[in-house]
Amino acid sequence: QVHLQQSGPGLVKPSQTLSLTCAISGDSLSNNDASWAWIRQSPSRGLEWLGRAYFRSKWYSDYAESVSGRMTISPDTSKNQFSLHLNSVTPEDTAVYYCAREWGIYQLDGKYNWLDPWGQGTLVTVSS
Amino acid sequence: DIQMTQSPSSLSASVGDRVTITCRASQSISTSLNWYQQKPGKAPKLLIYAASSLQRGVPSRFSGSGSGTDFTLTISSLQPEDFATYYCQQSYSTVTWTFGQGTMVDIK
Repeated sequence: QVHLQQSGPGLVKPSQTLSLTCAISGDSLSNNDASWAWIRQSPSRGLEWLGRAYFRSKWYSDYAESVSGRMTISPDTSKNQFSLHLNSVTPEDTAVYYCAREWGIYQLDGKYNWLDPWGQGTLVTVSS
Repeated sequence: DIQMTQSPSSLSASVGDRVTITCRASQSISTSLNWYQQKPGKAPKLLIYAASSLQRGVPSRFSGSGSGTDFTLTISSLQPEDFATYYCQQSYSTVTWTFGQGTMVDIK
């Protein structure tokens, strides 16, 4: 059974960098069939997919346009974990942040993907 | 980005009721549509993937249907543990996945 455990600070000052880590158990970060994602949730923006990292002979990453240029996902295969780094934060980045595995199956008409499991969530408040 | 619109935003229902939630995509997404249940203070939990496939361990009273732009989540007989918020999510886009705004199901 795959389990994701999040860690990181709950308070970040404006203009600083928000960093969270997601430790994986029951699966490998380098699994060629999985991707590893960050999602956040706030009252104003709802559930917002932020980005993913995945290994397909080498590491790749994708980011939502809303955070592109400020966000980096860093894989750490030695610890089987991945981290989110979001720089130049503002109060609008206040949210509950989740990590999740993107998984899927191949069916006759293509590949279908979903988010499962999720980490427990971390409330991050951006405030001075 | 593909926009996902759920309706209603909230509904009140009684135990035993049949509940239907709809989700509309701004463009065709085939059947690349997932449904999640979220309870207060918890992470979303996968219920349905690929529009109509029931995730392992999810009760059979949950079902999903639809393709293209219009999708439905149905709870055939609402149970006390089903009072929660439900979200649809598209995984059709090769990069950015998007969620509906959620439907809160509460007790009438």
